[in-house]
Amino acid sequence: EAAVTQSPRNKVTVTGGNVTLSCRQTNSHNYMYWYRQDTGHGLRLIHYSYGAGNLQIGDVPDGYKATRTTQEDFFLLLELASPSQTSLYFCASSEDRANSDYTFGSGTRLLVI
Amino acid sequence: QQQVRQSPQSLTVWEGETAILNCSYEDSTFDYFPWYWQFPRESPALLIAIRPVSNKKEDGRFTIFFNKREKKLSLHITDSQPGDSATYFCAASGSGGNYKPTFGKGTSLVVHP
Repeated sequence: EAAVTQSPRNKVTVTGGNVTLSCRQTNSHNYMYWYRQDTGHGLRLIHYSYGAGNLQIGDVPDGYKATRTTQEDFFLLLELASPSQTSLYFCASSEDRANSDYTFGSGTRLLVI
Repeated sequence: QQQVRQSPQSLTVWEGETAILNCSYEDSTFDYFPWYWQFPRESPALLIAIRPVSNKKEDGRFTIFFNKREKKLSLHITDSQPGDSATYFCAASGSGGNYKPTFGKGTSLVVHP
């Protein structure tokens, strides 16, 4: 079954720590996205990619890096984590660049203390 | 700049009533409007979507009404059920430079039995 799988499900790190969130999709989709979800803000786009080696800047990119190593794998990197990055992170994929529906992963809840 | 606005922020209805969730947008080049729903502790999932070639899209108890001139749309849930209790996100995307979907902040719907 086609899916988007995120790991870990939960993560706790200290301020200044280094965190990598992983996402793998088996949908054969070209596009992958990283969102953060916070109360009162809805879903905000951090970074996205339309293929291996490609990276596009989203709406809230500060403090985040991302890398798309393969068609299937998309990583979000927090190199100096801050408490403001405590959030619920979703990865998603879509077939096409426009007018496509998203398939979301189950989310990673990150706590930065 | 918030390109997709949703109202109300929260809505409570009784079982059997019709819930109406509103969405408006600013960019006239948006041409695809999916609605996602998200249950507590779950990830968003596609509920229903509409393209501006039509002013109405129906799927069971869920209907989108679309007004292109006013840049507004609404999601009507008839015969609301307690199982419909969720957060509903309106999103918009286009075929041009704004192809990445923009999400509203969501409407939290509670249906009381």
